Amino acid sequence: NAGVMQNPRHLVRRRGQEARLRCSPMKGHSHVYWYRQLPEEGLKFMVYLQKENIIDESGMPKERFSAEFPKEGPSILRIQQVVRGDSAAYFCASSLDRSEAFFGQGTRLTVV
Amino acid sequence: QQQVKQSPQSLIVQKGGISIINCAYENTAFDYFPWYQQFPGKGPALLIAIRPDVSEKKEGRFTISFNKSAKQFSLHIMDSQPGDSATYFCAATPRDTGRRALTFGSGTRLQVQP
Repeated sequence: NAGVMQNPRHLVRRRGQEARLRCSPMKGHSHVYWYRQLPEEGLKFMVYLQKENIIDESGMPKERFSAEFPKEGPSILRIQQVVRGDSAAYFCASSLDRSEAFFGQGTRLTVV
Repeated sequence: QQQVKQSPQSLIVQKGGISIINCAYENTAFDYFPWYQQFPGKGPALLIAIRPDVSEKKEGRFTISFNKSAKQFSLHIMDSQPGDSATYFCAATPRDTGRRALTFGSGTRLQVQP
């Protein structure tokens, strides 16, 4: 049973471009969470999704950021018009109902 | 009220020693307290977790102590090994109200010297 798969592992974008981060949860998991980690800091919650539904997006910036978890395919975190401050590691986690969450390896976004 | 405060920021321990990391929280709705271990370039991995109905949980060399009245919990790593060198995060999550996301502490970078 493969773990949580995130791709790409590393992503470089110029200011103003769009970044799309993908997350495939563990098999059978229908709950997906996205977290952002700035250098030397802890992980900050961004959004919690179940299949086709956003359950809690209280940690998402109001502009430029969006997330989806379609019925088929991976969850996508989309950042439009990236700025240097978006440079961070973005982690996805998945869980089965109310059980513990398992994290992926992360996508390290660098905005140049 | 959602904050989890973690200390120390960094810790150096000799091989064979005890590593102790502390966390404190404010939100009394928190009812699940996991600890995560993260190596450079990797995602966090669940190490051990506790619920507030017990005061201590032990798994191998790792022990969580929980003080509900003080709203504090700590991780003890006995017989610390160089392979334990990593960043450790405490976290907490509330009873299922629809907001089940983890609130993380700021992390402790542990270095175990041989």
